[in-house]
Amino acid sequence: AQKITQTQPGMFVQEKEAVTLDCTYDTSDQSYGLFWYKQPSSGEMIFLIYQGSYDEQNATEGRYSLNFQKARKSANLVISASQLGDSAMYFCAMREGRGGGYNKLIFGAGTRLAVHP
Amino acid sequence: DTGVSQNPRHKITKRGQNVTFRCDPISEHNRLYWYRQTLGQGPEFLTYFQNEAQLEKSRLLSDRFSAERPKGSFSTLEIQRTEQGDSAMYLCASSLDGQGVRIRFFGPGTRLTVL
Repeated sequence: AQKITQTQPGMFVQEKEAVTLDCTYDTSDQSYGLFWYKQPSSGEMIFLIYQGSYDEQNATEGRYSLNFQKARKSANLVISASQLGDSAMYFCAMREGRGGGYNKLIFGAGTRLAVHP
Repeated sequence: DTGVSQNPRHKITKRGQNVTFRCDPISEHNRLYWYRQTLGQGPEFLTYFQNEAQLEKSRLLSDRFSAERPKGSFSTLEIQRTEQGDSAMYLCASSLDGQGVRIRFFGPGTRLTVL
C-alpha cells in the first residue's frame, strides 16, 4: 500500500542556514507525484514544490529544492537560507498515477521545523 | 481574496448534533477535495468532486458523513450525530484540470470540537 514516512518529528535550524527535511515513500506505481506543503500555526496548507516520478531534474522553487532519489524512494525537501517565517509544520505527500490513487494525496505525519535567530 | 475559503473557521458542538461546513473553491477550479486532519497527523483524504459529481469517497467517510457540490461551485460537508472522534480540522482543497500537475490549493480549514 502507498505510504509516506517522515522520520523527523522536529527539526531545529539556525536562521540563514540550510536544512533538509526527510521523506521516504512506498508505492508500486511507476507514475506518481510528490508534493511538499507547509502548514503554519494558522492551519492553512501552503503548496511549496512538486516532483513528478518521470522528471529527470530535481525540482526547485526559490529557496526550496527537492532532492529526489528514485531508487531510494526518497524526496527530501531542502530549504536554503532559512528565515524565521519558515517555522511551521512541513508535510510530504504523494499522488499515485492513473487509477484509484490519482485523485487523492497521501500525507506523511509531518516535521515541525523551528528556525532560531 | 481569491483563495479557497471555508466557513466556519471554528465549530464547537455537543455530541449527537449535526454540523455543516462550507467550502468555496478558487472560482475557476473544477475539482474539489475534502480532507480531515487530527492532531499531530497529516491530512487524510475524505472525498473528491469533479464539477458536481462526487467521484471518490474514502472508507473514512462513514454513513454519518455526506458531501455535496451543487452546480459544481461551493461544497458542503455535513456530519450527522457527531461523535467525539469527529473532532478534527476539516480541510478543503481545489485544483484545475489541464494544468499538467494538479496542484491542490487548500483553504484555512474548519476546526471541529465535539464535546
